[in-house]
Parts: sequence; C-alpha cells; structure tokens
Amino acid sequence: QKEVEQNSGPLSVPEGAIASLNCTYSDRGSQSFFWYRQYSGKSPELIMFIYSNGDKEDGRFTAQLNKASQYVSLLIRDSQPSDSATYLCAVDGGYQKVTFGIGTKLQVIP
Amino acid sequence: DADVTQTPRNRITKTGKRIMLECSQTKGHDRMYWYRQDPGLGLRLIYYSFDVKDINKGEISDGYSVSRQAQAKFSLSLESAIPNQTALYFCATSTGTGDSQGYTFGSGTRLTVV
Repeated sequence: QKEVEQNSGPLSVPEGAIASLNCTYSDRGSQSFFWYRQYSGKSPELIMFIYSNGDKEDGRFTAQLNKASQYVSLLIRDSQPSDSATYLCAVDGGYQKVTFGIGTKLQVIP
Repeated sequence: DADVTQTPRNRITKTGKRIMLECSQTKGHDRMYWYRQDPGLGLRLIYYSFDVKDINKGEISDGYSVSRQAQAKFSLSLESAIPNQTALYFCATSTGTGDSQGYTFGSGTRLTVV
C-alpha cells in the first residue's frame, strides 16, 4: 500500500511568518509531487507541482523535494489569513495514479 | 462556467437506492477521475479513465460503477447505496503530461445515505 503521510495539524502561525508543511511518502519510485490547497467546503486547488530534487519557487510558495529522504515540503512566506486552509500533499507513483495525504490544516493568526 | 461541473451538488438518498453522480468538463482533458473524501481518510480513488474506451478501478471501487459517455462526461453510479458511502465526492481531470499534469477538480457532490 503506497502511503503519503502528513501531520493533520492544525499548524498555527502568526501573520507574516513562514509556514512549513511537510509530507513523507513510501513509494521510492514516485515521480511527481503536488501540493493542493483546499478551503473549507471547497474543492482542492493545485498550487505547486515538482518532480526534480531541490526547490521550486512560485511567488510566496516554495516546494522542496528530497527523493533520497522521500520527503516533500511546502513553505509559505509572509503568511496571510487568506492562506488558512488545508494543504494536501499528493504523490504520483506512476501511470498517474495519485495518492493523497490526509492534509495539514493551516491557521494563520492575524 | 466552471471547467469541471458536477451534478448534483448535494443529494440525500435512502439505503438501497441507485444513484448517479455526473461530471462534465470543458478542459479538453482525456483523463478523468472519481475520488471520495472522508474526514481523517483524505481523498481516495474510486475509478479513473484515460480515454472513452479505458476504465480502471481505483483503490475503493467496490459498490461503485462508472460510465465514460464521451471525452467530456464521466458518471459515477452507486448501485445500491449504503450509509458508509456517505461522503464528499469529487470528479477531477488532467492532461497527464508536462507541467500541467495536476488535477482540476469539480466543486464536489455531498452525498448522504440514510
């Protein structure tokens, strides 16, 4: 059973701080990694996609991938109350069969 | 109009009833998926389809069936609904390739089986 592990939280950070969200996965052959944001009662929305080791930056978001450690993270700089949501880590183990983590709930405190 | 449209948005049904959830998309994506989301369990794959003639079971397909009527339409049926199928159901699409291979999700169908 391919697993994707996330701490369900909630993770609370003050406004303006860096939020760090973490995810580990069990399938060493996984190729692609995604972060989705899901507001309460809404559908998930893709915010980051990464497939190479290292960092990928998009605005205030940075995804970090370490395949040797089977670890992927999402950093949110200058966190805003509007960033309060659940962040889902997703891993594609091949043939686009994607496994999702349970999500980490982020609370940004004004 | 939304890129991925799910109907109905909410549905309450009785145990033993057959129910169909519908999904249509204007993204032009070949790949379509049905997931269910439960608190504490995350999103789990029910069925997926890579083209009209390709249907595949996901990790929790028992009690469900699907139909890919066209590239743009993918329906999920519960043949005889049971209470533990109460969940939030999402349809998703993707290109499967390149930097845009992430999913686009519909707005979801909240299904309650009583």
